[in-house]
Amino acid sequence: DVKVTQSSRYLVKRTGEKVFLECVQDMDHENMFWYRQDPGLGLRLIYFSYDVKMKEKGDIPEGYSVSREKKERFSLILESASTNQTSMYLCASSLPFGTQETQYFGPGTRLLVL
Amino acid sequence: QKEVEQNSGPLSVPEGAIASLNCTYSDRGSQSFFWYRQYSGKSPELIMFIYSNGDKEDGRFTAQLNKASQYVSLLIRDSQPSDSATYLCAVNPNNNDMRFGAGTRLTVKP
Repeated sequence: DVKVTQSSRYLVKRTGEKVFLECVQDMDHENMFWYRQDPGLGLRLIYFSYDVKMKEKGDIPEGYSVSREKKERFSLILESASTNQTSMYLCASSLPFGTQETQYFGPGTRLLVL
Repeated sequence: QKEVEQNSGPLSVPEGAIASLNCTYSDRGSQSFFWYRQYSGKSPELIMFIYSNGDKEDGRFTAQLNKASQYVSLLIRDSQPSDSATYLCAVNPNNNDMRFGAGTRLTVKP
């Protein structure tokens, strides 16, 4: 069974704080993703990585950065948290996309920025 | 135009009925299509995937794909209250990414 874990289920931070969200997968997947999910907007891709030290911007990278130093770990960093970054953050992993593969999601981190 | 569009619902069906969930996509070159179920407060989990035109059945679930119309649907037969959730349609347009619709909220009433 694929297991994707995220460091926190709930986080409360103050505006301007630096926030680290960590994701770990145990299935040796090449691809890892960070999404945020907001009501009515669905899942929006922030960043993804298809290999160690590689990263690609998604649809909404502004205000975020990522780090992938090891294959199993993908971190999302909010350099200076703002209230509009209050959201559910979901990490996912997958094998390289072909027609057979899909994404496996972690349990999510609900972040509140005050 | 959004890349993946779904009716947000809510869609309400009585227990035992067929629930029909629809999705359209804009990238004609898309090759693979996925349906995820997401319970409130939980993360999405895969229900089905389909790549070929036609129907694919798995238990009470049937995915239907029409690439010419850029349309994919999910039918849930004999709907149960436990099927109440948000259903996300996802499309893999280019082998490096996945695009999600906003989801359709389904309620199955006992």
